[in-house]
Amino acid sequence: QQQVKQSPQSLIVQKGGISIINCAYENTAFDYFPWYQQFPGKGPALLIAIRPDVSEKKEGRFTISFNKSAKQFSLHIMDSQPGDSATYFCAASKTGYALNFGKGTSLLVTP
Amino acid sequence: ETGVTQSPTHLIKTRGQQVTLRCSSQSGHNTVSWYQQALGQGPQFIFQYYREEENGRGNFPPRFSGLQFPNYSSELNVNALELDDSALYLCASSLPGSIGLTEAFFGQGTRLTVV
Repeated sequence: QQQVKQSPQSLIVQKGGISIINCAYENTAFDYFPWYQQFPGKGPALLIAIRPDVSEKKEGRFTISFNKSAKQFSLHIMDSQPGDSATYFCAASKTGYALNFGKGTSLLVTP
Repeated sequence: ETGVTQSPTHLIKTRGQQVTLRCSSQSGHNTVSWYQQALGQGPQFIFQYYREEENGRGNFPPRFSGLQFPNYSSELNVNALELDDSALYLCASSLPGSIGLTEAFFGQGTRLTVV
C-alpha cells in the first residue's frame, strides 16, 4: 500500500517559472517530511525537510508548504532553472523509522 | 558528496546466484538503512540496522539479509537472485535521536542486474 502519494508524475516548466509538486499521506504518526532530488545514476540527495509544527519552510528557491489537517505537503521551486531538471521524491516517516517515498516527479525545465 | 560510499557501483549476476553489496556510512552515523529502487519508482525500504542490530524491516523476503559492523559499515546480502531483484540498491546513513531533523544521507547506489 502506497503510504505517500505524489503528483504529478512529470512536469515541464519554463526557465524562470515556478515548479509545484504535491504529496499526500495517510499515517498521522508521521512527523518528518523530506524532499529528495535525484539525478540519473545518482542516489537521492536531501533537498529540504519539514516537521508538522510549522506550515512553511523556505531554503533559497525551495519552499515546503505543509497542511497538517489535509495531510498534504508540497514543494515549490521558484525561478526554476535547467539545472533543476531531475526527479523529485517526497517522503514521510516517523522520526527514526523508515522513509516512505512517493513514486517521484520527473521535472524538466526548458531554456 | 554525502560521505556514504557503496560498492560496487554496478554488478551483473545470474538468476539463482547470491550477491553481497557493501556500504560505508557517514562518519559518526550509527544507523544504516537499505532501500531498493526499481526503475521509475521511489525507493522501497528493505531494513534498518542500529548498533549492529536489525531494528526495522520492510516487505522483503528472508533471502534479503544484512549485517552491520562495529564501525557502522553494512552489508546487504541477497540469496537466490530473481530477475525482479534487478534494481538500484541504496544505502542511507543517519543519526536518529540527534537534536533536529533525522536526516538520512544516501550513497550513490549499486546498480544490480540479474540475467
